[in-house]
Amino acid sequence: AQTVTQSQPEMSVQEAETVTLSCTYDTSESNYYLFWYKQPPSRQMILVIRQEAYKQQNATENRFSVNFQKAAKSFSLKISDSQLGDTAMYFCALVAPTPHLPDTGANSKLTFGKGITLSVRP
Amino acid sequence: KAGVTQTPRYLIKTRGQQVTLSCSPISGHRSVSWYQQTPGQGLQFLFEYFSETQRNKGNFPGRFSGRQFSNSRSEMNVSTLELGDSALYLCASSSLMAGELFFGEGSRLTVL
Repeated sequence: AQTVTQSQPEMSVQEAETVTLSCTYDTSESNYYLFWYKQPPSRQMILVIRQEAYKQQNATENRFSVNFQKAAKSFSLKISDSQLGDTAMYFCALVAPTPHLPDTGANSKLTFGKGITLSVRP
Repeated sequence: KAGVTQTPRYLIKTRGQQVTLSCSPISGHRSVSWYQQTPGQGLQFLFEYFSETQRNKGNFPGRFSGRQFSNSRSEMNVSTLELGDSALYLCASSSLMAGELFFGEGSRLTVL
């Protein structure tokens, strides 16, 4: 079984500052992917960033970057230069591709953390 | 390119009734998955369909069912509704990247 834990339910950050959201996970799979998804208030959830477990290099997408510590099973998200539009609920998620269907995209059984509500203050 | 469309957006039902929710994926996406989102349990995987076949199923009772049509559109059905079924039901479609989901805005179900 896979688990994803987000222990901080809420965080607040001043606009233009940097904030780090924490996530730990557990899986017995050797091949897996980690994600951060963002769910703005009353809007649809979107993918923020993706990390393949076999890659040592941390993923980066503009102001968003991750700190992937495989041995510690830790996957934190850093948001630089926070903007008001970053106010949302953030979910950490994990998926292990179905072995007989490598990276076809057809394995959509993600395990999500409980999420963290991030508020960006003007 | 149109996004994932879910209908209806809001609905209210009473205990014992049944409900059908619809999802139209992004054009070209063959995988459709469904998630239940509640404040207490968070996001929980219901099932995934790929080319009209159920590929994965979460730990939900048999009252929750789904299907996918040849045009990749999907429906989920919940029979004999219970108060605990009140939730936001999210549909997501996926292309070729494992776990990279495109979500709809959800169908918010309230069971009275």
